[in-house]
Amino acid sequence: DTEVTQTPKHLVMGMTNKKSLKCEQHMGHRAMYWYKQKAKKPPELMFVYSYEKLSINESVPSRFSPECPNSSLLNLHLHALQPEDSALYLCASSQDTGGGNEQFFGPGTRLTVL
Amino acid sequence: GQNIDQPTEMTATEGAIVQINCTYQTSGFNGLFWYQQHAGEAPTFLSYNVLDGLEEKGRFSSFLSRSKGYSYLLLKELQMKDSASYLCAVRDFTNAGKSTFGDGTTLTVKP
Repeated sequence: DTEVTQTPKHLVMGMTNKKSLKCEQHMGHRAMYWYKQKAKKPPELMFVYSYEKLSINESVPSRFSPECPNSSLLNLHLHALQPEDSALYLCASSQDTGGGNEQFFGPGTRLTVL
Repeated sequence: GQNIDQPTEMTATEGAIVQINCTYQTSGFNGLFWYQQHAGEAPTFLSYNVLDGLEEKGRFSSFLSRSKGYSYLLLKELQMKDSASYLCAVRDFTNAGKSTFGDGTTLTVKP
């Protein structure tokens, strides 16, 4: 299985809602990533988990809260988002964070904040 | 920090060869990746270079010169399905192996 899955595919939420994005991989990868991508822009790194520990937080606002319950799962909890947070949220995984380990991306969750 | 530059757009003809350049500046170079992203889809891995020289994979090749901070992706025998955004990403060992993406080059292949 060389796939990263993400749910939901699409999400519309109000600014007072709480929702979660989910990501799963069964490739035995020990590094998992959250990226945010706006239209016609490259993916922008948000968080990196290495061996289930948060290793990079790119100064992301606290309304985004990542969680890594086990080596296969990665969640992104959303609370009190702003309309400018509307974007494609991509999850990725790699063998680990070293060397030439390419990242495998999931299909993304397209988030709209009203 | 890192500074990565790629051309914004390129156009080429089906069956031709196109070269997409990427220049970078980084304090702790630890590899360069090329990804392809079709509109509305996730990026997919194309190639990885960490040593100087050319890596060939079928119709796609990637070249790296570390001393010049320069890479290119070469696409041969272009097909219409190669129309996509091509992203150069540089890994930095001074920042927990983080990869930073360039803004991407949108390639349009015309008949």
